[in-house]
Amino acid sequence: QKEVEQDPGPLSVPEGAIVSLNCTYSNSAFQYFMWYRQYSRKGPELLMYTYSSGNKEDGRFTAQVDKSSKYISLFIRDSQPSDSATYLCAMKTGSSASKIIFGSGTRLSIRP
Amino acid sequence: DAGVIQSPRHEVTEMGQEVTLRCKPISGHNSLFWYRQTMMRGLELLIYFNNNVPIDDSGMPEDRFSAKMPNASFSTLKIQPSEPRDSAVYFCASSSQGNDYGYTFGSGTRLTVV
Repeated sequence: QKEVEQDPGPLSVPEGAIVSLNCTYSNSAFQYFMWYRQYSRKGPELLMYTYSSGNKEDGRFTAQVDKSSKYISLFIRDSQPSDSATYLCAMKTGSSASKIIFGSGTRLSIRP
Repeated sequence: DAGVIQSPRHEVTEMGQEVTLRCKPISGHNSLFWYRQTMMRGLELLIYFNNNVPIDDSGMPEDRFSAKMPNASFSTLKIQPSEPRDSAVYFCASSSQGNDYGYTFGSGTRLTVV
């Protein structure tokens, strides 16, 4: 079993829809949770991060962490065609020496 | 800052040839990571350096792969001899010590071995 599981999609929704992207994980030691966005033929870029459980909002994006269920989500409101990309969840433990573990990514397409 | 700079952007080589990928991390970042991305396996960590010292190379697939970081501003990933299954996008990323919030990635090198 992989440490981090993510549905690869593809996911296609109409413009303006609410998008929900999710990941599950198995390592209860993970403390830092991140979402990266990767446009075609580009490197991943950090979109949002959260520490431990709870929600974090940034504009149209909301990251949610449920440590009891080992489940994290990214919600995109009022989705735009420019949101079309691959979204990778990522996480790491609290140890400064630990490395980030990435999900395999979900490919998202927003139809105009 | 120009970000993490990788070269070349694209590389096409014949099986058996040596391939060298290059990376310049962000100035001031003291951790550097080499990743490989494929459709089948996603983003895989190959090796990472802290203060120019290799810390974890458990992701390096086999002895054909080697990586060096001779100074804080330059790293190379070498494949010798290359094989078709090495075809992938190779990313370099860097971060500063104590940054728990993620890495900055370069634009990647798309390697095709024919």
